[in-house]
Amino acid sequence: AQSVSQHNHHVILSEAASLELGCNYSYGGTVNLFWYVQYPGQHLQLLLKYFSGDPLVKGIKGFEAEFIKSKFSFNLRKPSVQWSDTAEYFCAVKGSSASKIIFGSGTRLSIRP
Amino acid sequence: NAGVMQNPRHLVRRRGQEARLRCSPMKGHSHVYWYRQLPEEGLKFMVYLQKENIIDESGMPKERFSAEFPKEGPSILRIQQVVRGDSAAYFCASSPPVEGHYGYTFGSGTRLTVV
Repeated sequence: AQSVSQHNHHVILSEAASLELGCNYSYGGTVNLFWYVQYPGQHLQLLLKYFSGDPLVKGIKGFEAEFIKSKFSFNLRKPSVQWSDTAEYFCAVKGSSASKIIFGSGTRLSIRP
Repeated sequence: NAGVMQNPRHLVRRRGQEARLRCSPMKGHSHVYWYRQLPEEGLKFMVYLQKENIIDESGMPKERFSAEFPKEGPSILRIQQVVRGDSAAYFCASSPPVEGHYGYTFGSGTRLTVV
């Protein structure tokens, strides 16, 4: 069975600080990995995804994530956050033989202006 | 090209009533997924459907909940005899009929409040 862990429930940063949100997954085979963002009161939007190739994936709004297979991790990074990055961030995994995407419990990011 | 359309956006039901949530996938998408988001929690998978078929309902409560995706029309998530614990945001997502690394496109959700 596939599962996703996001260890940080709430992260508070000042503007211009660097961000790294942790994500670990559990699955015995090939995986597709995703980060979604949910701005307050809105639906989920895809930030970036990994399915093969370069393990460093660049997404929208300056976000990137690195797939480290040996650590079963897919951490999200941004070098300098802005107040508008305040949102909830969800890591998600889909195993190659699985029928659906499984989401982590989310990390709430608050940015102090 | 409209995205995933969900309606209603907000739904209030009294305990014991029925709730019907509708989802129209993106044009060209034939796979529909329903997720439930409880306050302070992540998204929990409920059910995965293709036209006229339930593919995976492993996340669906055994009682009171049902889902369909008919040949014509939107996918429907139906909750009978609602209870306070059903209050949540219900999100629908869709994906194209090609195996799966594209990710899903989500709708804006239906926020169900049971009073």
